[in-house]
Amino acid sequence: GAVVSQHPSWVICKSGTSVKIECRSLDFQATTMFWYRQFPKQSLMLMATSNEGSKATYEQGVEKDKFLINHASLTLSTLTVTSAHPEDSSFYICSARRTGWDTEAFFGQGTRLTVV
Amino acid sequence: GIQVEQSPPDLILQEGANSTLRCNFSDSVNNLQWFHQNPWGQLINLFYIPSGTKQNGRLSATTVATERYSLLYISSSQTTDSGVYFCAVEQAAGNKLTFGGGTRVLVKP
Repeated sequence: GAVVSQHPSWVICKSGTSVKIECRSLDFQATTMFWYRQFPKQSLMLMATSNEGSKATYEQGVEKDKFLINHASLTLSTLTVTSAHPEDSSFYICSARRTGWDTEAFFGQGTRLTVV
Repeated sequence: GIQVEQSPPDLILQEGANSTLRCNFSDSVNNLQWFHQNPWGQLINLFYIPSGTKQNGRLSATTVATERYSLLYISSSQTTDSGVYFCAVEQAAGNKLTFGGGTRVLVKP
């Protein structure tokens, strides 16, 4: 199957610090990865599309300077939450598709971020 | 953008019961997927079903693309079926998924 691994699973950080979340496709290559955010009892909302070797595409209302995305290889995308504030506390989930295959998306296990 | 609506928003079942979850979407789609989000937040792929009918054990799904809806059937429900079920659609190949609001299912023993 297609496995997407996200790390860390949970993180607590102090307000004003930065946090990096990694998303890896373990057994396939992914030209494109996606980052979602989910607040409690709500659905998933797309934050940005991460493209290998080029700049990410951000959804309307998402601050690109606050949520830095880097997709340096075909198996790794990172999301850095800069100068985190309590309102950034949320569940962050990445997804990926196998390059050249069908369009089925696979998701990482998510990262629960708590900013104190 | 495309709208995705799921119904019902909440569902309480007695163990062993059958149920049907619905997903309506407002425009033609290239892809539709059903997921189960477990209590730890992990999204489990259930079906990749842009059209037609598929079955996997006690679960089955049908998508009628021309009428813009999909159904997820749960038969002989078990407590482990509890969680949130999401459908998500994609309008163009390789593009983003848009999620519905989810159906929160609780199966009581």
